[in-house]
Amino acid sequence: AQSVTQLGSHVSVSEGALVLLRCNYSSSVPPYLFWYVQYPNQGLQLLLKYTTGATLVKGINGFEAEFKKSETSFHLTKPSAHMSDAAEYFCAVSYTGSQGNLIFGKGTKLSVKP
Amino acid sequence: SQTIHQWPATLVQPVGSPLSLECTVEGTSNPNLYWYRQAAGRGLQLLFYSVGIGQISSEVPQNLSASRPQDRQFILSSKKLLLSDSGFYLCAWTRLAGAQETQYFGPGTRLLVL
Repeated sequence: AQSVTQLGSHVSVSEGALVLLRCNYSSSVPPYLFWYVQYPNQGLQLLLKYTTGATLVKGINGFEAEFKKSETSFHLTKPSAHMSDAAEYFCAVSYTGSQGNLIFGKGTKLSVKP
Repeated sequence: SQTIHQWPATLVQPVGSPLSLECTVEGTSNPNLYWYRQAAGRGLQLLFYSVGIGQISSEVPQNLSASRPQDRQFILSSKKLLLSDSGFYLCAWTRLAGAQETQYFGPGTRLLVL
């Protein structure tokens, strides 16, 4: 069965430091890959997604992610963390023929220290 | 532009009571609609999805049900709530039925069953 693993349920960084949130998927077929962000008591907002083409994807708020097929990974990065980046981040995958049903990781809560 | 509404925003219900959560989408027609549940520490779990009026697919067997009485209305129901039904319920929609389509999430309903 397909699954998504986000390493680290909590990540803490200092303001201005690099943000790296890890996501690995298990599948024998190429997935479509998504990163969503959730602020407290709110719904999810799409940060970026990979469908086809360039494997380095740029999203909103300065985030980007790179699809590495050989590593089955889609890690999310941002060069310099801002206090407003504190939120929970979810990696998700879907597959052709799945009616778009997303399989989510358990999420990583990002804290940003001043 | 498209918007998605969910109500109520919060709900406290006793065990054994019925449930009805509503989701409506504005500004689009014939969307694909999804219900997710987010429980603490467990990420998001797809409960139901619908590709059209009266068409419901269930992903997880449980005491919940879903209905789509109108094109842009999706309802989550239960006849008798369990403690384990507590969580944050999110509705989402996509324009097309494709695995690469972005899902747009509503603000969510927080349900506490006592």
